[in-house]
Amino acid sequence: GESVGLHLPTLSVQEGDNSIINCAYSNSASDYFIWYKQESGKGPQFIIDIRSNMDKRQGQRVTVLLNKTVKHLSLQIAATQPGDSAVYFCAELNTGGFKTIFGAGTRLFVKA
Amino acid sequence: NAGVTQTPKFQVLKTGQSMTLQCAQDMNHEYMSWYRQDPGMGLRLIHYSVGAGITDQGEVPNGYNVSRSTTEDFPLRLLSAAPSQTSVYFCASSYSRAYEQYFGPGTRLTVT
Repeated sequence: GESVGLHLPTLSVQEGDNSIINCAYSNSASDYFIWYKQESGKGPQFIIDIRSNMDKRQGQRVTVLLNKTVKHLSLQIAATQPGDSAVYFCAELNTGGFKTIFGAGTRLFVKA
Repeated sequence: NAGVTQTPKFQVLKTGQSMTLQCAQDMNHEYMSWYRQDPGMGLRLIHYSVGAGITDQGEVPNGYNVSRSTTEDFPLRLLSAAPSQTSVYFCASSYSRAYEQYFGPGTRLTVT
């Protein structure tokens, strides 16, 4: 598959452990944030989103935390599985929601 | 549903040649967008459309044209290919604005 990033930050976790992926966003006026997962050779896939009037949102095995004071976003994956191995991108939407700004990504590697 | 489809999957161009990358979606989504992805970087928005007949520029629009004559199709035209346009191109669509976008499988373009 395509190489999505030769020098991405990498997080390596043991299968079954929890993973935490962090992201700093740039625009304090952004009011909507998304996490995407990209597997090798594929397009990004939506995981979870959060609006700026929330500080936490939970999905199936995933939780997103938002700290607007320090412009920080995190994605927590519970009981990480080999299928979670991928590159994870945080993204922020500009005011109006028409333009998405992606972060550089973090590569998650799950050891069996 | 096929979701978002892109053709071709791979393409090699010589400097100065022109071509069109095709993108289609069958989900009746109003919002469509084009991104490029380079190694070590996240996705960058090239152009987007909020409906048939309406397009606007993203972060890196120079050297690319788009049009949206139907809800389903959103082609991206390279006017005169340059080596700097070597990249992986992704098309995406969503029901409304840039929320929860569905991505195509990508086109890997090499310009020599």
